[in-house]
Amino acid sequence: DVVMTQTPVSLSVSLGGQVSISCRSSQSLVHNNGNTYLSWYLQKPGQSPQLLIYKVSNRFSGISDRFSGSGSGTDFTLKISRVEPDDLGVYYCGQGTQYPLTFGSGTKLEIK
Amino acid sequence: QVTLKESGPGILQPSQTLSLTCTFSGFSLSTYGMGVGWIRQPSGKGLEWLANIWWDDDKYYNPSLKNRLTISKDTSNNQAFLKITNVDTADTATYYCARIDLVPDYWGQGVMVTVSS
Repeated sequence: DVVMTQTPVSLSVSLGGQVSISCRSSQSLVHNNGNTYLSWYLQKPGQSPQLLIYKVSNRFSGISDRFSGSGSGTDFTLKISRVEPDDLGVYYCGQGTQYPLTFGSGTKLEIK
Repeated sequence: QVTLKESGPGILQPSQTLSLTCTFSGFSLSTYGMGVGWIRQPSGKGLEWLANIWWDDDKYYNPSLKNRLTISKDTSNNQAFLKITNVDTADTATYYCARIDLVPDYWGQGVMVTVSS
C-alpha cells in the first residue's frame, strides 16, 4: 500500500496569514497514464470531507484561489493564503494512483 | 447538482452483516468513467477507503477487508450498495459514499454505524 505522510499534525495561524501542509507518499504517484492522482480535502467540524484540489494542482469547482497545490512524484504541498475563519478543520491528502486508495492522517488547522 | 446520501442500520451486533445504501442524484453510474466509492472514518480518526464500483461494473476492494466486502449498484435507481460481513466493534465508524470522477469528489453526509453487543 502507498503510505501517505502528512506534516505537521496540527498548526495554528492568524487570520490573513499563510500556511503550508506537506504530504509525502511512500511511492511515486505518477500513474501509467502520466497523471498524478494526488488530492487534498478539507473536513470541517461535523462535516464530510470536501475536495479542494485534484491531480496535484487543479482547484475543484467553487474552490477559492487562496488554495493552491504543488509538487510531483512523492512530495506535495498545499498552501492556503489569506486564511479565513471558515478554513479551520482537518486537511487530508489522498492518492488515487494505486489501489488501495489511501489518505494521510490529517493536519488540523486552528485559527489563532 | 450532485448529491449523495448514505443509509444504514445505525446499530448492529457483532458477527452480523452490515448493509449500506448510497442514493445519489446529479450523475449516472452508466456514464463512462464514473464510479462510486465507500470510505469510512472511526470517530476522531482518519479516512479508510473500502471499495469502488465503476460504470462498467468493475470493482475494487481494500485488501485488508476484501473477503468481507461486497459492492454493487442499481444504475436505474441511482443507488450503490456495500455489504460488510461478520462485523465487529472495529467496524464502528461513519461511512461515506462518494462519487468518483478521477478522484472522490462529491461526498455524502455520512451515516454512523455502531457495532455493539
